[in-house]
Amino acid sequence: RKEVEQDPGPFNVPEGATVAFNCTYSNSASQSFFWYRQDCRKEPKLLMSVYSSGNEDGRFTAQLNRASQYISLLIRDSKLSDSATYLCVVSWYSSASKIIFGSGTRLSIRP
Amino acid sequence: DAEITQSPRHKITETGRQVTLACHQTWNHNNMFWYRQDLGHGLRLIHYSYGVQDTNKGEVSDGYSVSRSNTEDLPLTLESAASSQTSVYFCASSESTTGRGYTFGSGTRLTVV
Repeated sequence: RKEVEQDPGPFNVPEGATVAFNCTYSNSASQSFFWYRQDCRKEPKLLMSVYSSGNEDGRFTAQLNRASQYISLLIRDSKLSDSATYLCVVSWYSSASKIIFGSGTRLSIRP
Repeated sequence: DAEITQSPRHKITETGRQVTLACHQTWNHNNMFWYRQDLGHGLRLIHYSYGVQDTNKGEVSDGYSVSRSNTEDLPLTLESAASSQTSVYFCASSESTTGRGYTFGSGTRLTVV
């Protein structure tokens, strides 16, 4: 089982729709969680951190469910510019920091 | 403005050749990382460094080496390039070691023929 798993998609939704995708992780000792965005043929960029109580940044909402070991990203009122691949990142510390990137979920917004 | 730059952007090399990919950052970050990205695998860690003279192996380090002689640079060397090393390589730097606030370079697309 992969340490971090994401549905690769693609999710193809109309502009204005709400879309959500999850990322599951296997290590219950995971401590830090993030969502990165990666445009085609570009480098990943931090979208938002994920906090235990859930957090929002404009149209984006991130949530953490420790009991079921997944994080989620919800995008409301989607825009064409939201089309990208979304990578979840999970990290924990044992003898050293370990940071795992998911393979990404592709999102395509159609007009 | 601070930045992280990778060079070259594209490289084609032959099997068996030694190749070095450059990564230079002006963020003054202690932590630097090299990843490769392949379809279906996401970003996989090759090597990382937490400071000058510190280097560590990641999950896919075989066939690669790094050195850290100053804060700004972490060059990645492929000792003897193989076709399996055809990939997109990203360098990143960060203040933290938790995954937060990674700044990535634009990537190097390496093809080994």
